[in-house]
Amino acid sequence: QVQLVQSGAEVKKPGASVKVSCKASGYTFTNYFIHWVRQAPGQGLEWMGIINPIGGTTSYSPKLQGRVTMTRDTSTSTVYMELSSLRSEDTAIYYCARGVEYNLPEDYWGQGTLVTVSS
Amino acid sequence: QSVLTHPPSASGTPGQRVTISCSGSSSSIGSNYVNWYQQLPGTAPKLLIYKNNQRPSGVPGRFSGSKSGTSASLVIGGLRSEDEADYYCAVWDDTVSGPVFGGGTKLTVL
Repeated sequence: QVQLVQSGAEVKKPGASVKVSCKASGYTFTNYFIHWVRQAPGQGLEWMGIINPIGGTTSYSPKLQGRVTMTRDTSTSTVYMELSSLRSEDTAIYYCARGVEYNLPEDYWGQGTLVTVSS
Repeated sequence: QSVLTHPPSASGTPGQRVTISCSGSSSSIGSNYVNWYQQLPGTAPKLLIYKNNQRPSGVPGRFSGSKSGTSASLVIGGLRSEDEADYYCAVWDDTVSGPVFGGGTKLTVL
């Protein structure tokens, strides 16, 4: 069955970086784009960016451009999202989700990874 | 601030029909298709409607979507207690070259 399994919760200090992984299984990894979406406590969903597993090309939200980097490892069907220069406002649950087109997240989402930024 | 506008809350009694709206612009809903997601408390979002009005396998037929001009709507017929959740619309926005989400509507089943 299709699964996107994310890495565990992280606690980071302001200014540090965090790298969250999303391991795909149950489908052909290169057939679907992977989005990253985050949700601050009590808030709505915010799109962060998208990566094409074929070639690794990316597109990021203008708000996060310069601080976010998405990469992939096709040998392990894993996508990574790294966010740098963390601040308290980056405290959120981070989700990966797949999409068949270069458009919107679709049918399968990861379970979410809580990243807490606190001094 | 989201470029897609939802009512922050909606409510209904079991069996009722509820409509949740999503208002956008010519560069978002006016040009692209809309997805709807349901987020139950403490869980990841779930795709409810894709490409304006298509239901993924397993989503009950009482959930339906539509789009007209720069607005979209999600209709839940025969409301059930388990429908109590947050509902989000999403659309590709040509201005930002990426998806945008509505702020979400919290649905309460009275």
